[in-house]
Amino acid sequence: KQEVTQIPAALSVPEGENLVLNCSFTDSAIYNLQWFRQDPGKGLTSLLLIQSSQREQTSGRLNASLDKSSGRSTLYIAASQPGDSATYLCAVRLTTSGTYKYIFGTGTRLKVLA
Amino acid sequence: GAGVSQSPSNKVTEKGKDVELRCDPISGHTALYWYRQSLGQGLEFLIYFQGNSAPDKSGLPSDRFSAERTGGSVSTLTIQRTQQEDSAVYLCASTPGQANTEAFFGQGTRLTVV
Repeated sequence: KQEVTQIPAALSVPEGENLVLNCSFTDSAIYNLQWFRQDPGKGLTSLLLIQSSQREQTSGRLNASLDKSSGRSTLYIAASQPGDSATYLCAVRLTTSGTYKYIFGTGTRLKVLA
Repeated sequence: GAGVSQSPSNKVTEKGKDVELRCDPISGHTALYWYRQSLGQGLEFLIYFQGNSAPDKSGLPSDRFSAERTGGSVSTLTIQRTQQEDSAVYLCASTPGQANTEAFFGQGTRLTVV
């Protein structure tokens, strides 16, 4: 059974710091991994999608890496800003026959202090 | 539409009543997912649609929960005889259908059973 873990569960940093969020998964048979952010009381906003054949993806100040063989992904946020405060979720899309569902981690709650 | 649309955004219902939650996916997206997020918990998979059929409904917690999708577009999640433990945010997502594509989520429906 695929399990997705995110560490740390919560993180508080001063504005301007670079930071790394971690995501690990137990089964490497995935199509892709997607990072999302969730603001309080809101839905999920897609940040980055990494295909299983890719090593990393970048969008602005965000860089996500994927090491499928070791079951790990990291989300790197450069020069953090108070507007980055949110919960960050990673999700893996399974290759299990007949379903393409996503399994989510429990998230990292990030607070960037001004 | 421009994004995944869910209605209502909030629903308060009395224990024992039936409720219907609606999801309008992005136009042309053939895959549709329902997830549930209870307070302080991660996202729990409920059901996956490809077109009008549901190849994976393994996450529906009981026979009080059902979902349908018509015309390969709008989906309705129905909860019969609601219980207090059904209180959660119900999130819908859609993708173009291919395994390597990005998922987009709606803003969710917050269901409160009193």
